[in-house]
Amino acid sequence: QSALTQPPSASGSPGQSVTISCTGTSSDVGGYNYVSWYQQHPGKAPKLMIYEVSKRPSGVPDRFSGSKSGNTASLTVSGLQAEDEADYYCSSYAGSNNFPYVFGTGTKVTVL
Amino acid sequence: QVRLVESGGGVVQPGRSLRLSCAASGFTFSSYGMHWVRQAPGKGLEWVSIISSDGTNKYYVDSVKGRFTISRDNSKNTLYLQMNSLRAEDTAVYYCGKDRPGEPDYWGQGTLVTVSS
Repeated sequence: QSALTQPPSASGSPGQSVTISCTGTSSDVGGYNYVSWYQQHPGKAPKLMIYEVSKRPSGVPDRFSGSKSGNTASLTVSGLQAEDEADYYCSSYAGSNNFPYVFGTGTKVTVL
Repeated sequence: QVRLVESGGGVVQPGRSLRLSCAASGFTFSSYGMHWVRQAPGKGLEWVSIISSDGTNKYYVDSVKGRFTISRDNSKNTLYLQMNSLRAEDTAVYYCGKDRPGEPDYWGQGTLVTVSS
């Protein structure tokens, strides 16, 4: 099962927006509305930021939003803040034939 | 509040075994599936294994099938990962995660496993 494809890096200035893509196939991202996004700061555990494509867990700022079109999901961080600088990983449900979940390759977001 | 604490990591020689534990608190452990995810140094996240709430359904990524075994003791609120025939490529920080359900919503701080001679 191949990892979902994300750009290695993205950047923006404070207050700007940055959008990260996550491209899979019709067997994962395109086939189910179970795409999630995780934020990971260096040396820390991942934190769930978005689930089921566009839902935010309690406590996650509404600056974080998710969407999906076809086989590509996206995470947008609006009003970038210094603390948003981190690695971001998407994940998707991939059915139960083999292993049910797959991660993306990860994107390093830099706040300029 | 949900708390997950991994333990059992360390340095081990290739071919040897190690058992990781994940102690859970702050939620009804027996009601949730659990995940093991790992992250090799400087690399991305990789799913390792998943177990259903009652332990009957288990999934393994191809690279660990036949070598790793996931289990749980709901009476002790503890998740386990038995790792046998360890290889250098198994070197990683191993995280346990609570199923939301659908994907992990809480993670432990991780435990480092280093496979080296």
